Amino acid sequence: QITLTESGPTLVKPTQTLTLTCTFSGFSLSTSDVAVGWIRQPPGKTLEWLALIYWDDDKRYSPSLKSRLTVTKDTSRNQVVLKMTNMDPVDTATYYCAHKFDWNPFDYWGQGILVTVSS
Amino acid sequence: EIVMTQSPVTLSVSPGERATLSCRASQSVSSKLAWYQQKPGQAPRLLIYGASTRATGIPARFSGSGSETEFTLTISSLQSEDFAVYYCQHYNNWPPLFGPGAKLDIK
Repeated sequence: QITLTESGPTLVKPTQTLTLTCTFSGFSLSTSDVAVGWIRQPPGKTLEWLALIYWDDDKRYSPSLKSRLTVTKDTSRNQVVLKMTNMDPVDTATYYCAHKFDWNPFDYWGQGILVTVSS
Repeated sequence: EIVMTQSPVTLSVSPGERATLSCRASQSVSSKLAWYQQKPGQAPRLLIYGASTRATGIPARFSGSGSETEFTLTISSLQSEDFAVYYCQHYNNWPPLFGPGAKLDIK
């Protein structure tokens, strides 16, 4: 079955760069039309889509955060990495990675990782 | 970008009754509309995609309808495990935005 797990720091300081890793199983990011995305959710708020990477290395970013985000993949390790620069307290949120196939919504999600930005 | 709105913000319903949640898109998303359920401390779970197709393992009491800009999620007979927050999301183009959410709680 498909599983995804987010890992990384749970506390970062303002201005630092956040690096999160999504490790997955049950599918391959070398399979045509498969993608992994990142979504975040501030406490008590709605979901915000951040970035997505496709099997062919095509990448999409949220327009409002594009300058701060980088998403990469390591197909051999079954991992996707998200980097977000210049972290601010407003970036405090639970960060999720999720699987997507072709022009469909996110169907499998990781359990999420709560990242707090504080000095 | 396409903005999603949801109504009502909160809906109070008794177990066994029917619940109807609405989602509106600021412009047409065709049928590229999904519904998710989220319980406290959990990740969202995909319920409906393509506006009306239930995802794998989703009970038949959940149904979706609509197209273009107006969509509805109906839960025919509420069970205790259905009380949660529900989000709609379009995936017609980039960015695939989520609605603000609607909380379904016990009356």
